[in-house]
Amino acid sequence: DQQVKQNSPSLSVQEGRISILNCDYTNSMFDYFLWYKKYPAEGPTFLISISSIKDKNEDGRFTVFLNKSAKHLSLHIVPSQPGDSAVYFCAASARRYGGATNKLIFGTGTLLAVQP
Amino acid sequence: EAGVAQSPRYKIIEKRQSVAFWCNPISGHATLYWYQQILGQGPKLLIQFQNNGVVDDSQLPKDRFSAERLKGVDSTLKIQPAKLEDSAVYLCASSLVSAYQMGAQYFGPGTRLLVL
Repeated sequence: DQQVKQNSPSLSVQEGRISILNCDYTNSMFDYFLWYKKYPAEGPTFLISISSIKDKNEDGRFTVFLNKSAKHLSLHIVPSQPGDSAVYFCAASARRYGGATNKLIFGTGTLLAVQP
Repeated sequence: EAGVAQSPRYKIIEKRQSVAFWCNPISGHATLYWYQQILGQGPKLLIQFQNNGVVDDSQLPKDRFSAERLKGVDSTLKIQPAKLEDSAVYLCASSLVSAYQMGAQYFGPGTRLLVL
């Protein structure tokens, strides 16, 4: 049962344009979402997060949008740069009363290629 | 600030052998996580520590996997005996927030295990 889904295995974008990476989730208890970037032979690097009380969070070129009614989040990168080429994972966690909360469920990743 | 350190980076063993991985988290991070990432999938949580106590090990195959964090800093993950399906990247992560709070996790470079 894949609770966090990234339906696009890959995405190709021209340098300077916008990259939009999408993520859907099924568990309505998820209330904290994160995006990670991963280069080959390295561990995932934290990019940006959003709590379910917000619908948008911005950090420099990266913006995450959350649509709770659609159970959908997206990561926008503007402008895209060749160094952004990597695999992007979305992850989610759910508040569990009385139990551990910071337990991340990851999607399968989207490979972003930014063409010069 | 030094990141999460892991060793070894690569390991090749034969099935039924044992193997151990080591992790040193970011200084001051009380929460430590071990993940397994199989090729083409997102990381999957195996075990979660708060200081030297286990918070969640529900996804750890306890018949062959074990983990400890004796002094609340470094951690080791052991597989004994290994199976072919254990071939994966083993990622260690740490977090400044407790296991009962939402917050980013910071990953090490991982140990790539190949079981022949």
